[in-house]
Amino acid sequence: GQQLNQSPQSMFIQEGEDVSMNCTSSSIFNTWLWYKQDPGEGPVLLIALYKAGELTSNGRLTAQFGITRKDSFLNISASIPSDVGIYFCAGPYNFNKFYFGSGTKLNVKP
Amino acid sequence: DAGVTQSPTHLIKTRGQQVTLRCSPKSGHDTVSWYQQALGQGPQFIFQYYEEEERQRGNFPDRFSGHQFPNYSSELNVNALLLGDSALYLCASSPDSPAQETQYFGPGTRLLVL
Repeated sequence: GQQLNQSPQSMFIQEGEDVSMNCTSSSIFNTWLWYKQDPGEGPVLLIALYKAGELTSNGRLTAQFGITRKDSFLNISASIPSDVGIYFCAGPYNFNKFYFGSGTKLNVKP
Repeated sequence: DAGVTQSPTHLIKTRGQQVTLRCSPKSGHDTVSWYQQALGQGPQFIFQYYEEEERQRGNFPDRFSGHQFPNYSSELNVNALLLGDSALYLCASSPDSPAQETQYFGPGTRLLVL
């Protein structure tokens, strides 16, 4: 199966700081997705990217579809305690087979 | 409007047993996908059902099987359980459209195999 590598694995930041995380793949993806998972819940879609080079925002979240189509980045500005959770990148490959990265765990200190 | 629901929430089984997990999709959705999420890992795609047929399958053995009913609800069956099958099993539903990435996930069923 396809491998999506996320980094960092975990982050500890102060409330108000900006956060950056990324996701890389050895294969080309035509869609990149970013999800957040809270404890005891299923993942929730944050941002979807469809075109190489595309930059898309959702409130304080901004994600970019890498030019090579093998990577994507997620930035969170002015973090708040409710940003705590695990962030996953994902993409559909070979029609409807969705692959997820192993996640970036974000901790925010008030 | 209820979102994706899954039952049961937790389950404990022993090696060799069989288990059935259930999923009701979000209203208006006709496509259901199942994922296995081991502790500390991202979800892994098991298979997807559409029009009561398995449309796509991930890298899982035949011990994992499923079914979709006419009302779009779905079941995941796992036979001959192994310790390594312990995980959170997630169901996701979506409309059958080009924007299938708008998958809505349920809260999952946590399976422990002893």
